[in-house]
Amino acid sequence: SQTIHQWPATLVQPVGSPLSLECTVEGTSNPNLYWYRQAAGRGLQLLFYSVGIGQISSEVPQNLSASRPQDRQFILSSKKLLLSDSGFYLCAWSVYRGKGPNTEAFFGQGTRLTVV
Amino acid sequence: ELKVEQNPLFLSMQEGKNYTIYCNYSTTSDRLYWYRQDPGKSLESLFVLLSNGAVKQEGRLMASLDTKARLSTLHITAAVHDLSATYFCAVEDNTDKLIFGTGTRLQVFP
Repeated sequence: SQTIHQWPATLVQPVGSPLSLECTVEGTSNPNLYWYRQAAGRGLQLLFYSVGIGQISSEVPQNLSASRPQDRQFILSSKKLLLSDSGFYLCAWSVYRGKGPNTEAFFGQGTRLTVV
Repeated sequence: ELKVEQNPLFLSMQEGKNYTIYCNYSTTSDRLYWYRQDPGKSLESLFVLLSNGAVKQEGRLMASLDTKARLSTLHITAAVHDLSATYFCAVEDNTDKLIFGTGTRLQVFP
């Protein structure tokens, strides 16, 4: 069965420090991968999505970046965190279109980031 | 650009009552998802709707999709307290981006 791992679960980082959040998927190949951010009590903002290795689309200009070094690995990074980067970060995957009608999109457990 | 709107944003309802959450989207899509989120938790997949007229039911929740109207509904029947959560719809565009609605926060009280 397919599973998604996201870590760490919580993180407190000072302003100006770097960030690296990792997400890995098991049990499927060539998934679409997504990074979302959710501010407290708000909806989900799509940050990045990827349809393949090295293919990253950025949705919102910001000081974050994403990379996909392997098929089932998606990394969210920042060189210098801002206070406004605080939030709940969620990684998700979906089966690539064309591989069958029964596609779903599943989420990791999320990382709650507090920048202080 | 695909936009997804949900209403209401907040719903307070009494146990035993019925209600419907609406999800409208702006461009053609044939994949719509409903998720549930409990406070402080990640998203749990509820339904995937893949074609016009699709209807899926699980317990007291029933979701439907009208691709011509670009509308999906999540109907709650005889609400119970355990259904209290935030519900999101999400729509996949033709580039495989998954765009979420604003969410509907549901509170069910005795």
